[in-house]
Amino acid sequence: ELKVEQNPLFLSMQEGKNYTIYCNYSTTSDRLYWYRQDPGKSLESLFVLLSNGAVKQEGRLMASLDTKARLSTLHITAAVHDLSATYFCAVAGGTSYGKLTFGQGTILTVHP
Amino acid sequence: SQTIHQWPATLVQPVGSPLSLECTVEGTSNPNLYWYRQAAGRGLQLLFYSVGIGQISSEVPQNLSASRPQDRQFILSSKKLLLSDSGFYLCAWSVARGQPQHFGDGTRLSIL
Repeated sequence: ELKVEQNPLFLSMQEGKNYTIYCNYSTTSDRLYWYRQDPGKSLESLFVLLSNGAVKQEGRLMASLDTKARLSTLHITAAVHDLSATYFCAVAGGTSYGKLTFGQGTILTVHP
Repeated sequence: SQTIHQWPATLVQPVGSPLSLECTVEGTSNPNLYWYRQAAGRGLQLLFYSVGIGQISSEVPQNLSASRPQDRQFILSSKKLLLSDSGFYLCAWSVARGQPQHFGDGTRLSIL
């Protein structure tokens, strides 16, 4: 059974600082997704990582995938308050229907 | 462009009452469709998925059921709600394997 673990689960940052969220998964997969969820809202797709060594960047967020280590990272550069949200990683199992297993989520709060 | 609609946005139901949540997708054909539940704002649990009309697979045994009467319509139902059915229900679609799942705005269900 595929298990996905994120850490930390809670992250309080000051504006302008850098930090990394980690996503570990237990079985082989070549597809990993990062989502953002604002309080009371739905999930917004941030990144799709499809191969080993994939790196994607959007603004102050950068995601990478190491399939050999079964690890993805979401790096936050010079955090701003607007980045406050819950971030989920989700890993696709080896099925045709694209089942995703989600991590627990990381609640990020950026303080002035 | 593709859009996903989910309704109602909020629902308060008494224990033992029936449930029907609806999700429709526009702008694509034969999508994979999913129902998730998110409890206490953390962690998404896949409930059902469908790869085509009338094809439903259940991930978690429960008193909920799903149906797909049309290509782009996915319905989540229950004959008798339990207190434990409270949560945030999200419908999602994907066009193909390897593509991200796109989520609806969700239905917040409270059972009294």
